[in-house]
Amino acid sequence: DTAVSQTPKYLVTQMGNDKSIKCEQNLGHDTMYWYKQDSKKFLKIMFSYNNKELIINETVPNRFSPKSPDKAHLNLHINSLELGDSAVYFCASSMGGGPTEAFFGQGTRLTVV
Amino acid sequence: DAKTTQPNSMESNEEEPVHLPCNHSTISGTDYIHWYRQLPSQGPEYVIHGLTSNVNNRMASLAIAEDRKSSTLILHRATLRDAAVYYCILKAWAGSYQLTFGKGTKLSVIP
Repeated sequence: DTAVSQTPKYLVTQMGNDKSIKCEQNLGHDTMYWYKQDSKKFLKIMFSYNNKELIINETVPNRFSPKSPDKAHLNLHINSLELGDSAVYFCASSMGGGPTEAFFGQGTRLTVV
Repeated sequence: DAKTTQPNSMESNEEEPVHLPCNHSTISGTDYIHWYRQLPSQGPEYVIHGLTSNVNNRMASLAIAEDRKSSTLILHRATLRDAAVYYCILKAWAGSYQLTFGKGTKLSVIP
């Protein structure tokens, strides 16, 4: 059983398109996250979300928006894709947003051409 | 954000212990020390975390200095599968506890 799963694993798309990446966790966690890992391998948090609050990293362009249909899912929508959006995107989850461990998905490699 | 300093890379021989250091001189009292690792082409994987006391689990041990300004991740017997980038992270409160990753230490294991 995969604890945190993302789809698709690879995504190639043209500039200007709108795309979504889906994330599901079966751990019963109530807090989910999106991270971006760029070509230099730096991992940066984009969003954290639980059923009470969305916390947005201020450096994230508003073309990126998280959508959570329920506690087990946090999808990432990206509008008007740009070349600089090419990266690996990781979804993660944890319990309560507290200091416990987070579980990460396997990542979605997005390539914008 | 509280920051950590780690060596860029380290090497270890297979089946020998590995000590991965981390400095976090600006740590605050509510910051937890977390270690994650990322194997090639995979997502980060939790290794261990602690607040003040040393911690052990099936994967590793975490030794925390008395003043909490540094810590050491100890892999007791390195295997080839342990080759990864190891991140020392201060999990700090920002509305929720968030993981802020640094550059990490790339560990190479020599057969």
